[in-house]
Amino acid sequence: NAGVTQTPKFRVLKTGQSMTLLCAQDMNHEYMYWYRQDPGMGLRLIHYSVGEGTTAKGEVPDGYNVSRLKKQNFLLGLESAAPSQTSVYFCASSYSIPPGPQYFGPGTRLLVL
Amino acid sequence: DQQVKQNSPSLSVQEGRISILNCDYTNSMFDYFLWYKKYPAEGPTFLISISSIKDKNEDGRFTVFLNKSAKHLSLHIVPSQPGDSAVYFCAASGADTGNQFYFGTGTSLTVIP
Repeated sequence: NAGVTQTPKFRVLKTGQSMTLLCAQDMNHEYMYWYRQDPGMGLRLIHYSVGEGTTAKGEVPDGYNVSRLKKQNFLLGLESAAPSQTSVYFCASSYSIPPGPQYFGPGTRLLVL
Repeated sequence: DQQVKQNSPSLSVQEGRISILNCDYTNSMFDYFLWYKKYPAEGPTFLISISSIKDKNEDGRFTVFLNKSAKHLSLHIVPSQPGDSAVYFCAASGADTGNQFYFGTGTSLTVIP
């Protein structure tokens, strides 16, 4: 099993450009999450999904959109990238809502110039 | 406002000694706590958890202690090994946080051979 995979691993964007980050999991987990990690800030939840076709806002949702068309995939979109969105993005999945532990992907490093 | 705090950004310990990583929280509704370990360029991996009905949980070299009255938890690693060198995050969830975990800012542990 690959677990949780993220594509791409690294990307550079110019301000105003758009992109989509892809997360895939092969563990048949219902729940999927997108986090961002910034220096001194820990991991902060952007959006999450409790099942195929559902999405919900987390702690820092502004500037991002998500979609969960298939159970195994969770997409994070940036419609108009800003330098403040420079960060490392982690996707995670879990078989249950908290308190079940989450399984993380390797991360996507995004630089917005 | 940061609901979960790790006030020590870094910690250095000699191999074979005990490592103690600390975490404080402010939300009295938190009732489940996890520790994650993160190596550079990888996603966090689940290490150990504890629910509020316990004050101690042990798994091999790793023990987590919970002091609910002080809103404090700690992770003990005994004996520490060089492979334990990583960033450790604590995370918490509770009845009022729904599907969200709140993460601390992390403590970078270095185990010196």
